[in-house]
Amino acid sequence: RKEVEQDPGPFNVPEGATVAFNCTYSNSASQSFFWYRQDCRKEPKLLMSVYSSGNEDGRFTAQLNRASQYISLLIRDSKLSDSATYLCVVDDYKLSFGAGTTVTVRA
Amino acid sequence: GAGVSQSPSNKVTEKGKDVELRCDPISGHTALYWYRQSLGQGLEFLIYFQGNSAPDKSGLPSDRFSAERTGGSVSTLTIQRTQQEDSAVYLCASSSQGSVTDTQYFGPGTRLTVL
Repeated sequence: RKEVEQDPGPFNVPEGATVAFNCTYSNSASQSFFWYRQDCRKEPKLLMSVYSSGNEDGRFTAQLNRASQYISLLIRDSKLSDSATYLCVVDDYKLSFGAGTTVTVRA
Repeated sequence: GAGVSQSPSNKVTEKGKDVELRCDPISGHTALYWYRQSLGQGLEFLIYFQGNSAPDKSGLPSDRFSAERTGGSVSTLTIQRTQQEDSAVYLCASSSQGSVTDTQYFGPGTRLTVL
């Protein structure tokens, strides 16, 4: 079983829509979680950390469910610029990445 | 510098040749990581340096891969006798202290193509 698994998508959504996707992780002892964004042929960049109580950053909401060992990302009022691959990351000092979920926002 | 830099940005080599990839971390960051991203695959951890501690080499796929970090700053990843399956983007990241709460900042990567 992979350490981090994601639905690869793609999620094709119109501008203004809400899109959400999950990722599961295998190590129940993991403590630190992130969402990274990666644009085509670019390096990953931190989008947001994921806190136990859930957290928002503008139109982005991240949730952590420790019992079921998954984290989620929700994007509200999606913009064309949100089109990217979103990488779920578990940090046990070295990062374990999911394969990424591709989101395409269309006009 | 302002961010993590890597060189070269692209490297094309012939099977069997050795290559060296360089990473300059953010100034003052004590932790440095190497990852690789193969086509259609997620990022894969290779090696981790933290200060003067022995590096964690648990992710290196074979003994053809090695890395050094000189003076606690610049790092070089060396691949000997390259194979076609080594073709990937090699990403370097650094963080301030290497703890699980520190953000890892990535360089732009080196795209390696082995013919």
